[in-house]
Amino acid sequence: DAKTTQPNSMESNEEEPVHLPCNHSTISGTDYIHWYRQLPSQGPEYVIHGLTSNVNNRMASLAIAEDRKSSTLILHRATLRDAAVYYCILRGTGNQFYFGTGTSLTVIP
Amino acid sequence: KAGVTQTPRYLIKTRGQQVTLSCSPISGHRSVSWYQQTPGQGLQFLFEYFSETQRNKGNFPGRFSGRQFSNSRSEMNVSTLELGDSALYLCASWTYDEQFFGPGTRLTVL
Repeated sequence: DAKTTQPNSMESNEEEPVHLPCNHSTISGTDYIHWYRQLPSQGPEYVIHGLTSNVNNRMASLAIAEDRKSSTLILHRATLRDAAVYYCILRGTGNQFYFGTGTSLTVIP
Repeated sequence: KAGVTQTPRYLIKTRGQQVTLSCSPISGHRSVSWYQQTPGQGLQFLFEYFSETQRNKGNFPGRFSGRQFSNSRSEMNVSTLELGDSALYLCASWTYDEQFFGPGTRLTVL
């Protein structure tokens, strides 16, 4: 199982950008990088995913290192609603997802 | 479009009993995955079903089993419950790239 490493926790001030790092040094060429987040008392929800190029959507941006051994999820303006546990996951062939421990993001008003 | 639904939402059982949890995926989704979430182990993959066939299985004992019906609804069963099986059980259905999670079933084993 391809593994990811994330900091246990991070803090951000409201309305400031947040950069959530993820290391995945054992990533294979066909692994996609997925990010999910889990708000308190809810199931996880999809945030973004990518393979090699940087990706943007309405929720966030994903910056992928050139060697693909690390990536960064960028929330452009953190809100209180963004307080959650963020999971960086590698998806290979098939739909086996291994979530890891994630980063607990605290947003300070 | 309705989201993923799971029933029941809460369940209390005693050791040695068995339990069946149900998951209804989003209409049109054919793949369903199950996860166990505990404070100590986090989110762990149990298994995945596609078109009534188990495609992938996580590292759980044989007491954990599942199935999927022709309408894509899925059930998971845990036999001979242990205290350590107390957890939030989450079901997710897939589009090609994205999983949609249900609210989970909170199982407490006494």
